[in-house]
Amino acid sequence: GAVVSQHPSWVICKSGTSVKIECRSLDFQATTMFWYRQFPKQSLMLMATSNEGSKATYEQGVEKDKFLINHASLTLSTLTVTSAHPEDSSFYICSARSGDRGYEQYFGPGTRLTVT
Amino acid sequence: RKEVEQDPGPFNVPEGATVAFNCTYSNSASQSFFWYRQDCRKEPKLLMSVYSSGNEDGRFTAQLNRASQYISLLIRDSKLSDSATYLCAVNTHGFSGGGADGLTFGKGTHLIIQP
Repeated sequence: GAVVSQHPSWVICKSGTSVKIECRSLDFQATTMFWYRQFPKQSLMLMATSNEGSKATYEQGVEKDKFLINHASLTLSTLTVTSAHPEDSSFYICSARSGDRGYEQYFGPGTRLTVT
Repeated sequence: RKEVEQDPGPFNVPEGATVAFNCTYSNSASQSFFWYRQDCRKEPKLLMSVYSSGNEDGRFTAQLNRASQYISLLIRDSKLSDSATYLCAVNTHGFSGGGADGLTFGKGTHLIIQP
């Protein structure tokens, strides 16, 4: 159990375009989903926390107008990187947590974004 | 001071040896602690949660020392397949504002098991 999927697994886009990443919990209902970003040789950094049906809570320094998060259901959250620039190139990973499973978070396989 | 600190390594260890990692955290209000394993260019996978009483799962043992604010991971009889980066993660609950519920990760300790 506790399977989280992400789509796409990798994407290359041109500077100025927008990219949407989907995160799904496949075998449990995720009351909370999280979005992280990891640059090469760096730690995972939390970008935002989203609860189903409410607005996401962003970490300090993360632009909410640039990284749009929608948590439309208990199994789906999306992250849209708007007007992407090369410095947004990174490994984006979502995680999901169910209240039934305590505070453990289960991660999706990640999306590698390259902006040219 | 960084919130979660780990020795980055790499730790080069012969197969069959025992290896231990430590991780320190700065927020004394932290309430949940985890060890994750991350392979190159992959997502973190939960290895084990860390409880105050300590816990063991096969060859892996985790300990929490709240007074000194560190957690440890011990791997016995190491296998080649244990080669990976081990991430310490801490969660602080019950506070308002951004990031109260997300995990704060250390940079990870890189482990290389040599045949």
